[in-house]
Amino acid sequence: GAVVSQHPSWVICKSGTSVKIECRSLDFQATTMFWYRQFPKQSLMLMATSNEGSKATYEQGVEKDKFLINHASLTLSTLTVTSAHPEDSSFYICSARDDRGVDGYTFGSGTRLTVV
Amino acid sequence: GESVGLHLPTLSVQEGDNSIINCAYSNSASDYFIWYKQESGKGPQFIIDIRSNMDKRQGQRVTVLLNKTVKHLSLQIAATQPGDSAVYFCAEDQAGTALIFGKGTTLSVSS
Repeated sequence: GAVVSQHPSWVICKSGTSVKIECRSLDFQATTMFWYRQFPKQSLMLMATSNEGSKATYEQGVEKDKFLINHASLTLSTLTVTSAHPEDSSFYICSARDDRGVDGYTFGSGTRLTVV
Repeated sequence: GESVGLHLPTLSVQEGDNSIINCAYSNSASDYFIWYKQESGKGPQFIIDIRSNMDKRQGQRVTVLLNKTVKHLSLQIAATQPGDSAVYFCAEDQAGTALIFGKGTTLSVSS
């Protein structure tokens, strides 16, 4: 089946620094990928839709300058949390949709970001 | 087995019971629905899906029911096992744009 690799699985960074999270589709091409954010004991909240070769579409209330998304190839999307602050600490999860239209949406294993 | 008509954040069952988890979705234009299982610290794991032209779909030990009239989705787990303990989410695909997740239900199975 389809596999999405998300890296790193966890990261601790200092306030004011930036952190990059990678999302790779390993055995399929994904023109469209998605980034979610999940706070403890809450549901997954869609942050943005990442499209290969074009600008990401951000959901209402999500700061595009804070959460930079780059989808430079059909198998890789990155989310960069810029000038991170403690309130950015969360679980970030990516998802990829197979261009062949099979297997629906495949999720990565998530990245636990802690900003200290 | 335990049955709930409305969404509840938690559900506790005994091993071997049947579990029913409910979900209300928001968009009548949604045409594809998926149930996910999420264990602590992990990404969502696909359980079963259903398209809007169906009202029931069965998998191994799981059944999904879709009621489009009231925009309601349910997940039935037969003979619930301790390994089924997790948070369960329904998600709706709004015409192929993105998956929107509903509120989760934490299932606790005691042996």
